[in-house]
Amino acid sequence: DAGVIQSPRHEVTEMGQEVTLRCKPISGHNSLFWYRQTMMRGLELLIYFNNNVPIDDSGMPEDRFSAKMPNASFSTLKIQPSEPRDSAVYFCASRLTGGTSYEQYFGPGTRLTVT
Amino acid sequence: GQSLEQPSEVTAVEGAIVQINCTYQTSGFYGLSWYQQHDGGAPTFLSYNALDGLEETGRFSSFFSRSDSYGYLLLQELQMKDSASYFCAVRGKNYGQNFVFGPGTRLSVLP
Repeated sequence: DAGVIQSPRHEVTEMGQEVTLRCKPISGHNSLFWYRQTMMRGLELLIYFNNNVPIDDSGMPEDRFSAKMPNASFSTLKIQPSEPRDSAVYFCASRLTGGTSYEQYFGPGTRLTVT
Repeated sequence: GQSLEQPSEVTAVEGAIVQINCTYQTSGFYGLSWYQQHDGGAPTFLSYNALDGLEETGRFSSFFSRSDSYGYLLLQELQMKDSASYFCAVRGKNYGQNFVFGPGTRLSVLP
C-alpha cells in the first residue's frame, strides 16, 4: 500500500489567495483526520471524518477553513482567503475504525507558507 | 476538556534508558497513545494503552494508569536513530475532545 498520500508537499502563496490541500487515505480506512502543526500550538486536530461524514469539526479555526470528503478515497482542506498565520504543516491521517489497532497513519504533510 | 503535559526536552546517551512522562487532565477518554516524529517527518504510531499497566513492544514500553492520570514511554538501549520528538495523545469521548496530542518531548541521544 502506498500509505496516505497528500498533495502538494509544499505550497507558497500570497495572503488572500485560496489554498486547497488534498488527501488520499489508505484504501479500506474509514476514518480521516486533518491536523495542523506549528511550533507555537503543536499538533492540533482540525476535523475528523468517519465514513465520509464530519464527526468533529471543533478544531476548524474559523469560516475561512472548510473540509470535504466526497468519497472514501479523497478529501480536501480549503483555506479562503489565506493569511500568514495559516502557515504551518498540515497532516492528513487515516485509520480503520473498529479494527484492533488504534493506530493513525499519517501522510507526509503539506508545508504551507503564506506570505 | 483535555490537557496533556510532557517535558519539553530529554537528553540521554546511546545504550541508556529514558522515560518520557505524560500527565493529563481529562473528563473522560478511551486510552493513551504514543507517537514518534523525526524532524521533517510525519508522526508514526508507537503504542496504545487502553487498560492500566505496561505494554512492551521491543525496545519501547508504554505504561498507563487511568486513576493516576499518568502515563510514560520507556525507551531502552537507546540508539542515535531514536532522536526525535515523542507525543502522547488521548482520544476523548466527547465532541471537541477527539484525538488531543500533548506538546511533545524532544529526545536527543548523544554518542
